[in-house]
Amino acid sequence: GENVEQHPSTLSVQEGDSAVIKCTYSDSASNYFPWYKQELGKGPQLIIDIRSNVGEKKDQRIAVTLNKTAKHFSLHITETQPEDSAVYFCAAAFGNEKLTFGTGTRLTIIP
Amino acid sequence: NAGVTQTPKFQVLKTGQSMTLQCAQDMNHNSMYWYRQDPGMGLRLIYYSASEGTTDKGEVPNGYNVSRLNKREFSLRLESAAPSQTSVYFCASSLQGDYGYTFGSGTRLTVV
Repeated sequence: GENVEQHPSTLSVQEGDSAVIKCTYSDSASNYFPWYKQELGKGPQLIIDIRSNVGEKKDQRIAVTLNKTAKHFSLHITETQPEDSAVYFCAAAFGNEKLTFGTGTRLTIIP
Repeated sequence: NAGVTQTPKFQVLKTGQSMTLQCAQDMNHNSMYWYRQDPGMGLRLIYYSASEGTTDKGEVPNGYNVSRLNKREFSLRLESAAPSQTSVYFCASSLQGDYGYTFGSGTRLTVV
């Protein structure tokens, strides 16, 4: 089955700087890669996703890049703000198979 | 739209008691999932239902049972609660596997 590794497990950045979280996956057939943000006391929320027919996708301050050859994808957050502090999860899936989640990254934005 | 609704939000059980966690979605999604989340750990899949009428075991199914009552509802039952089942439980739904999941707000369960 699919295996998703996520790094780092914790990340602290100064407000205004950029943050990058990286994930690798094992199943070359995977074609869907979402990212979730979990705020304290809440359920994870989908913030951006990418499919294997594109290499990069942006939505305001967040972007995801995908390298199918190397089997890794990354989340980039620019101009970080205090409200970006949360736990972020990456995931991967193929077709109608269920998502396999990474272990999460706790991002802390330092004012 | 309410999205995914989980009840109850909090519950304290004594060891050996049973309970059912309820989950309902109003997005006409086909697939539904139950996860548990423990401190310092990610999301671990307990059971899932790819479509109405089907259920399958996930990574950590022992001690749990599920029922896909209809397309909207997917319940998780603890027959004899154990302290190791103290956790936060999340229900989620999706159109199908390779579409974004919508999560509920969670049930915080403590077994004493």
